[in-house]
Amino acid sequence: DVKVTQSSRYLVKRTGEKVFLECVQDMDHENMFWYRQDPGLGLRLIYFSYDVKMKEKGDIPEGYSVSREKKERFSLILESASTNQTSMYLCASSFRRGYGYTFGSGTRLTVV
Amino acid sequence: SQQGEEDPQALSIQEGENATMNCSYKTSINNLQWYRQNSGRGLVHLILIRSNEREKHSGRLRVTLDTSKKSSSLLITASRAADTASYFCAPSGYSTLTFGKGTMLLVSP
Repeated sequence: DVKVTQSSRYLVKRTGEKVFLECVQDMDHENMFWYRQDPGLGLRLIYFSYDVKMKEKGDIPEGYSVSREKKERFSLILESASTNQTSMYLCASSFRRGYGYTFGSGTRLTVV
Repeated sequence: SQQGEEDPQALSIQEGENATMNCSYKTSINNLQWYRQNSGRGLVHLILIRSNEREKHSGRLRVTLDTSKKSSSLLITASRAADTASYFCAPSGYSTLTFGKGTMLLVSP
């Protein structure tokens, strides 16, 4: 089975810190995605990538950036963490467009 | 990207009963996918039904798709306590998936 691994389950960071959330998939999937999930708001797409070195903005990219230097790794960067970025962050990958997504277990980030 | 809307928002049943969740969407699709999320975890892909299919089965799951009504349903037969989770539908048109707020299913022993 494809596995998507997010580096941390829980993370606590201070306001203003630069935060890196790492995501690695092990099945040569072309596409990778970052979502955040908040109560009452559901899942919202932050950034996605259809190929190495490619990145596309999702619905809520403000305050975030991403990096995809290798096919298997997709990193989400919070340039200067703020309390409104406290959330559950979910990484996903898919073989190609139109295929099902495989999600990681999520990183619950708290910014204090 | 399209977004599905799940109904009901919450569903509470007893073990052994069947659970039915519905999904409506607004634009044409290539396929529709269903996902499950246990509390505090990532989503798990359950089943994908293509736009030219009307019904699909996987174990205790049965999914139907009516493209003329732009709706889908997920039936879980003989529910178990372990089926307690949120369920999301995701209509797919080959762009990114957009998820609704889901149906929260509670299966009581």
